[in-house]
Amino acid sequence: DQQVKQNSPSLSVQEGRISILNCDYTNSMFDYFLWYKKYPAEGPTFLISISSIKDKNEDGRFTVFLNKSAKHLSLHIVPSQPGDSAVYFCAASARGSGNTGKLIFGQGTTLQVKP
Amino acid sequence: DAGVIQSPRHEVTEMGQEVTLRCKPISGHDYLFWYRQTMMRGLELLIYFNNNVPIDDSGMPEDRFSAKMPNASFSTLKIQPSEPRDSAVYFCASSFIGRAYGYTFGSGTRLTVV
Repeated sequence: DQQVKQNSPSLSVQEGRISILNCDYTNSMFDYFLWYKKYPAEGPTFLISISSIKDKNEDGRFTVFLNKSAKHLSLHIVPSQPGDSAVYFCAASARGSGNTGKLIFGQGTTLQVKP
Repeated sequence: DAGVIQSPRHEVTEMGQEVTLRCKPISGHDYLFWYRQTMMRGLELLIYFNNNVPIDDSGMPEDRFSAKMPNASFSTLKIQPSEPRDSAVYFCASSFIGRAYGYTFGSGTRLTVV
């Protein structure tokens, strides 16, 4: 029962173009969503987040969109750079239900940005 | 701050042996999480602690897995006996007041059971 799903195991884009990573969730109690980035031999690091009261959050080249009715979020990277090549994990939390921030992660999507 | 420190970085063991993974969280963080990364399931939450007390261990796959946090600066994840299907990367993370965006992960322990 995977509550957070990333259906694309991998994505390859050209440098300078847009990268779009997708994530779906099933638990309607989730109210906080995050993206983490992971390089080989390192732990995941926080990238960007969004609360369920918003539908968009932007931080430089990174933008996260949330569609609550579809239980879908996406991460846009514009323009993509070779240094963005990494595994991206989508994560969700149900803070409002008394949960104290336990994160449920997806399977990850490996992004390759070609020079 | 040195961040979350995990040891060992790599562990190769034979099936049936006991394996102990170690984690030192960031000082002052009151939540500690153990995750396992596999290709099929991504990052799975195994167990988490708040102020050294286990809160949710529903992700622990079997009785062969156990975790302890004897004090605020140390936690262990033990597998006994180990099996080849336990091969994965195990991550420890800590946070302050359980803030999701405040998770800091260690570099992980790559476990191979042969």
